[in-house]
This record gives sequence, C-alpha cells and structure tokens, in this order.
Amino acid sequence: GAVVSQHPSRVICKSGTSVKIECRSLDFQATTMFWYRQFPKQSLMLMATSNEGSKATYEQGVEKDKFLINHASLTLSTLTVTSAHPEDSSFYICSARDHRGPQETQYFGPGTRLLVL
Amino acid sequence: DAKTTQPPSMDCAEGRAANLPCNHSTISGNEYVYWYRQIHSQGPQYIIHGLKNNETNEMASLIITEDRKSSTLILPHATLRDTAVYYCIGGAAGNKLTFGGGTRVLVKP
Repeated sequence: GAVVSQHPSRVICKSGTSVKIECRSLDFQATTMFWYRQFPKQSLMLMATSNEGSKATYEQGVEKDKFLINHASLTLSTLTVTSAHPEDSSFYICSARDHRGPQETQYFGPGTRLLVL
Repeated sequence: DAKTTQPPSMDCAEGRAANLPCNHSTISGNEYVYWYRQIHSQGPQYIIHGLKNNETNEMASLIITEDRKSSTLILPHATLRDTAVYYCIGGAAGNKLTFGGGTRVLVKP
C-alpha cells in the first residue's frame, strides 16, 4: 500500500516561534502533496497544494507568508508555521498523490497536532 | 469538485452490513467518487473509489447508480473499529479533494 508519514505527531510551542512539520511518502514518489488543517469538530480544510520543484498554490484566505511550504524532493514536503499564535493551534494533515495508478489516489498522513501556548 | 450530500450521522449494528449513502447529482463525467474515513484523531484513510462501475476491495463495496447521481458505500460486516466519520468526495483524478461534513457512523454492539 501507499504510506505517508508525518513528523512530529504532536508539538507544543510558545507564541511567536516557528514550527516545521514534515510530510513524507515512504514507498512512492509524490510530485504533488496537499496540506490540510482541521479544527475540533470540523471537517478538513485544504490549505495549499505543494508541487515538487515549484511554488505552492495556496487556497483563498491562507497566508502564504505565514504558512511556508517547501517541496524540495519527490518524497518530502514541509510546512512551516511562522510566528505561531494560539489561533494556529490545530490538527495539520498532509496527503500525497500516488501517480502509480491511473486515478492518482491521494493517501493521507497521520496528522500533526499543534498547540501554541 | 462535485458537491456531495451525506446524512450527518447513522448507527449500525456490529456484524451487520452498513450502507452509507451519498448524493452527487452534479458530478461530471470525468469525476470519480472517492470514499475516505477518519477515525478519531487520525488522518483520513482511503477506502475505495469508482467512476461508473461498482467496485469492491478488501474493505468495502461501492455501488454507483447508472446515472451517477448517487452512490452507496457498503461495509459488509461492520465492527466496532469501523466507527468513524466517512467522507464521500467527488473529484477528478489527482485533483485536490474538498471535504464536506461526512457521515458520523457509530457501530454499536
């Protein structure tokens, strides 16, 4: 199967600091990865599309300077939450598109729970 | 992405088949129907997807109506571990997925 990992699984940081979250496709290459955010009792909201070797595409309302995305290799995308504030506390989830099949199914990571104090 | 409509919640009996409906009346010809589920505090898990034909894998079966306006996910023998939020999503292959509210399924002993 297709496996996607995230690191760390949970992180607590102080307000004003930056936090980096890694998303890796373990057994396949992914030219495209996606970053989602999920607040308690809500559904997943797409933040941005991460493209290997090019700039990320952000959804409307998502600040690109606050949520920095880097997709430097075919198996790794990183999301950096800069100058984090308590309202950034959320569950961050990535997915990776598996090109091996014709339908390019997306597989999700286990998520990273961020708590900003 | 096609807009999908699902019941907000449903209960199922352990050991019985669970039938989860989804309406997607505006789905276009090149859009697939994807099903994912999210168990509490985890990332979504891929279940199955289909375009026109019914599909079956080790987890579930997907029945798509001939007009493609609706579909049903079938969990053949629900277990307590199947308790989760199930999402039905319509979209073109490889495109971003837009999650709706899903159906909160509670499997009861």
